[in-house]
Amino acid sequence: DIVLTQTPLSLSVTPGQPASISCRSSQSLLYSDGKTYLHWYVQKPGQPPQLLIYGASNRFSGVPDRFSGSGSGTDFTLKISRVEAEDVGVYYCMQSIQLLRTFGPGTKVDIK
Amino acid sequence: QVLLVESGGGVVQPGRSLTLSCSASGFTLSSHAMHWVRQAPGKGLKWLAVIWYDATNKIYADSVKGRFTISRDNSRNTLYLQINSLRDEDTAVYYCARDRGYSGYEEIDYWGQGTLVTVSS
Repeated sequence: DIVLTQTPLSLSVTPGQPASISCRSSQSLLYSDGKTYLHWYVQKPGQPPQLLIYGASNRFSGVPDRFSGSGSGTDFTLKISRVEAEDVGVYYCMQSIQLLRTFGPGTKVDIK
Repeated sequence: QVLLVESGGGVVQPGRSLTLSCSASGFTLSSHAMHWVRQAPGKGLKWLAVIWYDATNKIYADSVKGRFTISRDNSRNTLYLQINSLRDEDTAVYYCARDRGYSGYEEIDYWGQGTLVTVSS
């Protein structure tokens, strides 16, 4: 199975400041079709996860443009350009290059 | 809008069986692969199983293979997860989730609110 490692596991951010989360995969998530099968989710307190970024860098419908994803192969980054109070939650990366899906351990983001 | 509503959770004794349901609306269920994902209390997300749009392929996490069965009834717009021989470690919120594609290789784009299963004697 593909192992996803996230760093840091927790992050405390001042509102208005940027935040960055790294996700590293044990195998390349770039397929021969040219697509990258790495996605980012946020789970806000008491809620189910919600999709933020798909295909490493594509924002899902309705996701604010302060969220961006980058990376290729095995190393990926989720960036929040200016953290807001509503961004509190746990952020997960997930791979779908294999049908046996795996999630990263999650990064807990809170506000200072 | 896309809506996924899980049901069937509750308190169950160890060793018993349980079937969870997920009612889908707002989209054509038969055009999408579907997943089950669970989250133990205070823990992260664990993917359990995927079923293709037409149920011709089902894949399970190694840890649940042989004990969990995913199925679907597209005519009833419903996804199912049968769990046999329940164990304490099966205590979790169980989410059904939609794959953007039909064969389970795309992103999960919508999630239900989840149903809590508590295994306890």
